[in-house]
Amino acid sequence: QQPVQSPQAVILREGEDAVINCSSSKALYSVHWYRQKHGEAPVFLMILLKGGEQKGHEKISASFNEKKQQSSLYLTASQLSYSGTYFCGTEKDSGAGSYQLTFGKGTKLSVIP
Amino acid sequence: DAGVIQSPRHEVTEMGQEVTLRCKPISGHDYLFWYRQTMMRGLELLIYFNNNVPIDDSGMPEDRFSAKMPNASFSTLKIQPSEPRDSAVYFCASSLGTSGYSTDTQYFGPGTRLTVL
Repeated sequence: QQPVQSPQAVILREGEDAVINCSSSKALYSVHWYRQKHGEAPVFLMILLKGGEQKGHEKISASFNEKKQQSSLYLTASQLSYSGTYFCGTEKDSGAGSYQLTFGKGTKLSVIP
Repeated sequence: DAGVIQSPRHEVTEMGQEVTLRCKPISGHDYLFWYRQTMMRGLELLIYFNNNVPIDDSGMPEDRFSAKMPNASFSTLKIQPSEPRDSAVYFCASSLGTSGYSTDTQYFGPGTRLTVL
């Protein structure tokens, strides 16, 4: 079942912060975040494993609440280069490696000067 | 490293024709995935392979779709006969398979934009 992302779209001015959420109805082992720019392929951002570990680099970080099966992506002090569509991909916790990701429909982020 | 290579980048065909999409994964990657992306449905997994063997094809929409991986460096996705509703961007992705439960990073190719008239 496809995870639900919110919001569907957001417009930011440079320097503003944003949070993108991803929720699943199924128990998850991992959540993956990708960014896709218009006309390009999705590009990997980070993986979070169950255990609530928060990850990040520079001004983009993410958390994973395994009890709620929710993940959030945090973008701070946004830059023009952050514009694009952000997808979460979820991997079910089936007791064994599934190697399958189910992607949400994406959140379109637009950063304006 | 050349990354994942897909061809053609664009394909325009008429309904009823056979379409073959091609993918070369990153050398050394054990897993290969085929996705379809549309505005309505987003990014959907069609099928994936591990060491050239199809593992799960439950996402293949119908019998008109077939995929093969004859060796570690080449895979094809075939649609026969094609229909207008097959119009989409088709991505191929590959990954290592060393981290156990969790999927490793999936590296996506540039995609093939298919238009069926």
